[in-house]
Amino acid sequence: QKEVEQDPGPLSVPEGAIVSLNCTYSNSAFQYFMWYRQYSRKGPELLMYTYSSGNKEDGRFTAQVDKSSKYISLFIRDSQPSDSATYLCAIGNTGKLIFGQGTTLQVKP
Amino acid sequence: KAGVTQTPRYLIKTRGQQVTLSCSPISGHRSVSWYQQTPGQGLQFLFEYFSETQRNKGNFPGRFSGRQFSNSRSEMNVSTLELGDSALYLCASSLRGSSGTRWDEQFFGPGTRLTVL
Repeated sequence: QKEVEQDPGPLSVPEGAIVSLNCTYSNSAFQYFMWYRQYSRKGPELLMYTYSSGNKEDGRFTAQVDKSSKYISLFIRDSQPSDSATYLCAIGNTGKLIFGQGTTLQVKP
Repeated sequence: KAGVTQTPRYLIKTRGQQVTLSCSPISGHRSVSWYQQTPGQGLQFLFEYFSETQRNKGNFPGRFSGRQFSNSRSEMNVSTLELGDSALYLCASSLRGSSGTRWDEQFFGPGTRLTVL
């Protein structure tokens, strides 16, 4: 079993839709949860970072961590074509990042 | 502030050769990590260096090695290249402190795309 599981998609939505991206993880000891966005031919960039459980909001983006079910989510409101990218969940564990497979999102105008 | 830079951006090698990739972290960042990204396996951690010492290592064979210099710049080396080593190699730097436990944001470079023929 992989430590972090993420549906690779692809996911295609119309502009303005609410997008929900999800990951599950196996180790209940994990504490640091991140979402990265990666555009084609670029390195990943950090979108959201959450420590332990709860929600975090930044503009159109909301990250949720449910430690009881080992589930992490990223919601994108009012999605834009510029949001088209690969979204990677990641867990920080003693200095290394453990990534999900990444979900490819396409937002159509 | 300049971001993480990686050189070269693209590289083509043949099986059996070796390759050295370079990474310059953000000024002031002393922690440098390397990752391999492939379509099949996704992003996988190779190793982390801090103050010229390898502090963490992923599950890769000994053909993959790295080092860090006193100015925090880092290199990774892959010897006896195999077709399966074709990947995007990403370097990330962070302010992660000497405690080894505090978490800091990792900033990624654009990567070096290695093709092994």
